[in-house]
Amino acid sequence: GQQLNQSPQSMFIQEGEDVSMNCTSSSIFNTWLWYKQDPGEGPVLLIALYKAGELTSNGRLTAQFGITRKDSFLNISASIPSDVGIYFCAGIYTGANSKLTFGKGITLSVRP
Amino acid sequence: NAGVMQNPRHLVRRRGQEARLRCSPMKGHSHVYWYRQLPEEGLKFMVYLQKENIIDESGMPKERFSAEFPKEGPSILRIQQVVRGDSAAYFCASSPTDQPQHFGDGTRLSIL
Repeated sequence: GQQLNQSPQSMFIQEGEDVSMNCTSSSIFNTWLWYKQDPGEGPVLLIALYKAGELTSNGRLTAQFGITRKDSFLNISASIPSDVGIYFCAGIYTGANSKLTFGKGITLSVRP
Repeated sequence: NAGVMQNPRHLVRRRGQEARLRCSPMKGHSHVYWYRQLPEEGLKFMVYLQKENIIDESGMPKERFSAEFPKEGPSILRIQQVVRGDSAAYFCASSPTDQPQHFGDGTRLSIL
């Protein structure tokens, strides 16, 4: 089946630093979404991208839909302790009938 | 504006029993999706429903699992004769059209 690749599994940064996360696929995706999940809770939508090349911001978060439609990245600027959590990319590939395919997630730790 | 509501938040069942998981979508959302998450994994699609219709059930096991979204009331994911391998977090998402999907906080199912 279709897969989204996120690596590394964990990232450790200092408060105030910027961090970038990448998500790649061997297949073309028509929609890319980024979610954050805290322990014991459901994923919360951060940013949705619908067009190749689209660059969208949400506060300190910026995400881009890759031109090849096979990748997306999420940038977090000036990280704060509450940015800690698991960041998932998700996408819809052609013919997927709206169902989301998720990456395995990246666990972000922020040192004060 | 209430979000996606799932209940129960935690459910414990013995092997062979039935599990019923409920999901009330956000107000105005007619599309419902169920996903399953194992520890340290991303979410895996199970089924996509609109009112009274199953649109895509390609991710749902053929046996023991069923889902419905009646005209009135919540969507139900039903697992009959549960086995240990059914232990997971089950998440429901809803959307007004086909995107973007907003998630509930999940039901954590434990099988004894």
